[in-house]
Amino acid sequence: DIQMTQSPSFLSASVGDRVTITCRASQNIDNYLNWYQQKPGKAPKVLIYGSSTLQSGVPSRFSGSGSGADFTLTITSLQPEDFAVYYCQQIYNPPLTFGGGTKVEI
Amino acid sequence: EVQLVESGGVVVQPGGSLRLSCAASGFTFDDYVMHWVRQIPGKGLEWVSLINWDGGAAYYADSVKGRFTISRDNSKSSLYLQMSSLKTEDTALYYCIKGNGATFYYGSGAYPHYMDVWGEGTAVTVSS
Repeated sequence: DIQMTQSPSFLSASVGDRVTITCRASQNIDNYLNWYQQKPGKAPKVLIYGSSTLQSGVPSRFSGSGSGADFTLTITSLQPEDFAVYYCQQIYNPPLTFGGGTKVEI
Repeated sequence: EVQLVESGGVVVQPGGSLRLSCAASGFTFDDYVMHWVRQIPGKGLEWVSLINWDGGAAYYADSVKGRFTISRDNSKSSLYLQMSSLKTEDTALYYCIKGNGATFYYGSGAYPHYMDVWGEGTAVTVSS
């Protein structure tokens, strides 16, 4: 199985900050990497798929990059509504494993 | 409006069985892959299973393989998860999710797949 490792697990930031979250796969997954955002008490929603494609309706301050085994989610100018938990997920090969999550908090 | 509504979550004893259901509406159900993902309260996400549009292929997490069975009834726009030999570690909120295509292809060259519509979840507690 492909293991996904996210870092950091927790991130303290302020409104307006630039935030970077990394995700590393245990093997090459090309660009088959998705990012999800989960707010408290809510189901997750997809932000980015295929490593860098922004899902419709997601603000352009979110961006994704990477290929192979190393990936990055970047939020430029963090907004109050961005405080949440972010998960990466590989969809290269079943089982479709998630990273452990990164909680972005004030 | 695209909607997924899960049901069937209850308290069950270890070793017991349970069937979760998910009623889909607002889209052509048999055009899409469907998934189950679970989450222990306060913890991370764990992908459980997926099934292609026609039920012709299904995949499972190692932790549930041989114990859980995913199925669908396209005539009823419904997804199911039959859970047996339940363990305390199966306690979680179970989400039903729609994928972005009819068939899950994997490996290099496949169109990127993602989970684009999530239900609110149904809670399963395995406890004596």
